[in-house]
Amino acid sequence: ETGVTQSPTHLIKTRGQQVTLRCSSQSGHNTVSWYQQALGQGPQFIFQYYREEENGRGNFPPRFSGLQFPNYSSELNVNALELDDSALYLCASSRWDRGETQYFGPGTRLLVL
Amino acid sequence: SQQGEEDPQALSIQEGENATMNCSYKTSINNLQWYRQNSGRGLVHLILIRSNEREKHSGRLRVTLDTSKKSSSLLITASRAADTASYFCATVVIYNQGGKLIFGQGTELSVKP
Repeated sequence: ETGVTQSPTHLIKTRGQQVTLRCSSQSGHNTVSWYQQALGQGPQFIFQYYREEENGRGNFPPRFSGLQFPNYSSELNVNALELDDSALYLCASSRWDRGETQYFGPGTRLLVL
Repeated sequence: SQQGEEDPQALSIQEGENATMNCSYKTSINNLQWYRQNSGRGLVHLILIRSNEREKHSGRLRVTLDTSKKSSSLLITASRAADTASYFCATVVIYNQGGKLIFGQGTELSVKP
């Protein structure tokens, strides 16, 4: 059983650019959630995807968008990057069963200059 | 915004000692989960306790849940240097067809050999 993988591991962008982060779900999981973790803080929920549709969203602006593919992998896209977008972005997969355990990938650390 | 708070924010103990971390939350929950994070990397799921459970054990971990006080505690017995990490509690908020994790700010545990 393969775990959750994310790419890239690190990324440096400049303000105003766009970025795409990728996530492969754990085998057997059909739900993907994305979280943003600023330094010294707990992760904050961005959104969740189930059956290729957004299924719940946290307090993040529309320039944060995502996709889920038929193989349940997912992308997080962030447009018009701001300095405050610098953070660790975590992807988590789970079976569709509300409230069950989410399994996290190693994260992508994004630095916006 | 964070659902709850963890206490203490930082804890330093000697190897072999027990470590206790507390978590408080604000709303009704389906379940509460504890995660560990090493050096800003991905989160590792430790244990899930449901709202109708009061105590749960897993190896050296003991979790309690008091829904009347909206609080939980994580006890790590006979700590090891490898337990050094940040520990987060997360409550599950159910919505539509999914569930999102709401994390506290975490407790940073340092176990000295």
